[in-house]
Amino acid sequence: DAGVIQSPRHEVTEMGQEVTLRCKPISGHNSLFWYRQTMMRGLELLIYFNNNVPIDDSGMPEDRFSAKMPNASFSTLKIQPSEPRDSAVYFCASSLDSGRANEQFFGPGTRLTVL
Amino acid sequence: AQSVTQLGSHVSVSEGALVLLRCNYSSSVPPYLFWYVQYPNQGLQLLLKYTTGATLVKGINGFEAEFKKSETSFHLTKPSAHMSDAAEYFCAVRKETSYDKVIFGPGTSLSVIP
Repeated sequence: DAGVIQSPRHEVTEMGQEVTLRCKPISGHNSLFWYRQTMMRGLELLIYFNNNVPIDDSGMPEDRFSAKMPNASFSTLKIQPSEPRDSAVYFCASSLDSGRANEQFFGPGTRLTVL
Repeated sequence: AQSVTQLGSHVSVSEGALVLLRCNYSSSVPPYLFWYVQYPNQGLQLLLKYTTGATLVKGINGFEAEFKKSETSFHLTKPSAHMSDAAEYFCAVRKETSYDKVIFGPGTSLSVIP
């Protein structure tokens, strides 16, 4: 298996522009997580899907952020409009929800820089 | 609510020396506990986890951790540090109300000095 795939790996954009981050989870996994990592705040869970349904989006910082999971093999995280304080590494992770505490498999991340 | 604390945001050890990374958690139910490692410019990967049973858990790359309920701790150790162990280490606890969500600690950056 190729693991969790994220694209792009690096994104540089200007303030006010729309940014879309993409994630393909591991085939067969039914839980998907979006995290943001910064030096100041560490690793933050933004949103969590189970069977393509958003379960907990309490970590989404504000309305400028939105996430979708139209099917089991694809998810997007969109920022519109982007701001410099959104600069961070965004990770997608997936796991198999079988009623036990299962390992989360992380993608390589997308490094976002908003100028 | 659960929380995870990691004592020491930065730890430096000499190559060949003992590695000890501390983790304490709070949970009102028997916890599931994890250690993840993040190498530079990579995502996190699981080192080891405790669910039930034996309290000494062995993981990859020679790491192990011991669950001590009385101390609410899950410290990570490795007898002899290698240069390749330099990374960020995260302790995590399963969220009580969800089998999937975990609460991550702030992380400890490990440096290995030649």
